[in-house]
Amino acid sequence: DQQVKQNSPSLSVQEGRISILNCDYTNSMFDYFLWYKKYPAEGPTFLISISSIKDKNEDGRFTVFLNKSAKHLSLHIVPSQPGDSAVYFCAAYDSGTYKYIFGTGTRLKVLA
Amino acid sequence: NAGVTQTPKFRILKIGQSMTLQCAQDMNHNYMYWYRQDPGMGLKLIYYSVGAGITDKGEVPNGYNVSRSTTEYFPLRLELAAPSQTSVYFCASSLSGYNEQFFGPGTRLTVL
Repeated sequence: DQQVKQNSPSLSVQEGRISILNCDYTNSMFDYFLWYKKYPAEGPTFLISISSIKDKNEDGRFTVFLNKSAKHLSLHIVPSQPGDSAVYFCAAYDSGTYKYIFGTGTRLKVLA
Repeated sequence: NAGVTQTPKFRILKIGQSMTLQCAQDMNHNYMYWYRQDPGMGLKLIYYSVGAGITDKGEVPNGYNVSRSTTEYFPLRLELAAPSQTSVYFCASSLSGYNEQFFGPGTRLTVL
């Protein structure tokens, strides 16, 4: 039972355009959501997060949107740059169990 | 600050052998985690710890053991290696469950 799903395994976007990465979850007890970026042969690095009491959080070119009723979150990258090419994981945290659940990742390729 | 360090970087084990994956962090974080990432998959939580002397199982704990005698170290033990444990293992730490996790560079383990 995959509680956090990233249904698009890959995404290609032209440089300068918007990249939208999506994530769906099933457990309504998740109260914190995070996005991580991962380059090959490296550990994931934190990108941006959002609390379940908010619907939007912005940090520079990165914005995360949360729709609790739809159990859906998305990461927008504007404008996309070639250096953004990586695998992006969404993660959900349940403070009641201390557990993180990661999605399967979306590989983003930004074309120059 | 070295952040989160993991040793070894690579290891090949024979079926039935045992080994310990080392993880250390110098950020005085209370929370530490062990994940495994199989090809094309997300990160699966193996074990986690919310402080020295406190550990608990994650999604996929079978075949592994952990200990946390100090804040800094969180070793992962494989007692009887099996081919199904071939994976990349990541250790991570965070100040709390709501804070970003800092990941180590990973250990690539092959069991033949």
